[in-house]
Amino acid sequence: EADIYQTPRYLVIGTGKKITLECSQTMGHDKMYWYQQDPGMELHLIHYSYGVNSTEKGDLSSESTVSRIRTEHFPLTLESARPSHTSQYLCASSRSLGGNTEAFFGQGTRLTVV
Amino acid sequence: AQKITQTQPGMFVQEKEAVTLDCTYDTSDPSYGLFWYKQPSSGEMIFLIYQGSYDQQNATEGRYSLNFQKARKSANLVISASQLGDSAMYFCAMRVMDTGRRALTFGSGTRLQVQP
Repeated sequence: EADIYQTPRYLVIGTGKKITLECSQTMGHDKMYWYQQDPGMELHLIHYSYGVNSTEKGDLSSESTVSRIRTEHFPLTLESARPSHTSQYLCASSRSLGGNTEAFFGQGTRLTVV
Repeated sequence: AQKITQTQPGMFVQEKEAVTLDCTYDTSDPSYGLFWYKQPSSGEMIFLIYQGSYDQQNATEGRYSLNFQKARKSANLVISASQLGDSAMYFCAMRVMDTGRRALTFGSGTRLQVQP
C-alpha cells in the first residue's frame, strides 16, 4: 500500500475562491508530481518537483501553483477557482534512482467549481 | 518527445477469459521504461507491471503479463483469467530515463468491462 495521501478527497467550491489541495508522502521520495485528469481521460502532468525548493511546470499549462518546502509535502494552490478548473487532481511520487521504480499515486482530489 | 497510443477506448471480456490491451509508444531515447496502471471507478492509480527497454524477457506479475515487442514499439498488457474486479480503466505509461524529472507520460486509456 502506497504511503501518499491527498486531501480533500472531494471538494465543491464556488467560483473565485482560493483553494489548496494537499499531498503528503512518507516514503522519503525526492520527486513528486501533480497530474490533472478529466473523467475517463488521460493524465496530464501539470507540475513536478525534483526536491525541496525545486518546482517546475509540466506539459499541460495550468493556472495552479505548487510549493515544496518539505520533502514530504507538495501542495497545489488555485488562487481563484473557475469552473474550467473542475477536474480530478492526482499527486504522485517516485524515487530518484532506478528508472524501473513505479510512481506511487494518491487517491486523488475530485474538484468541482460551481 | 514521447507519445503513448492506446487505440481501444473500450473492451469487453467474459469472466475467466484472457484479454489483451494494446499499447504502442514512440520515443527516440534508447533507455525507457513502460508501465501499466489500473484505475478503478474510485479514482486511484494502481501499479500493475513494468518493462524496461533493455529487459530481455517479457515481464509477468501474477495474472498480468506484458507482451513487449521492441521493434514494433508495442507493450501490450495481457490479463489472464479475467475477474469481475478487473473492470476498470487501464493506462499504459512511459518514462524516459535520461530526463531528470522522470515523469510518466500516459496514454488515453482503455476501459475494460468484465462480463459474468
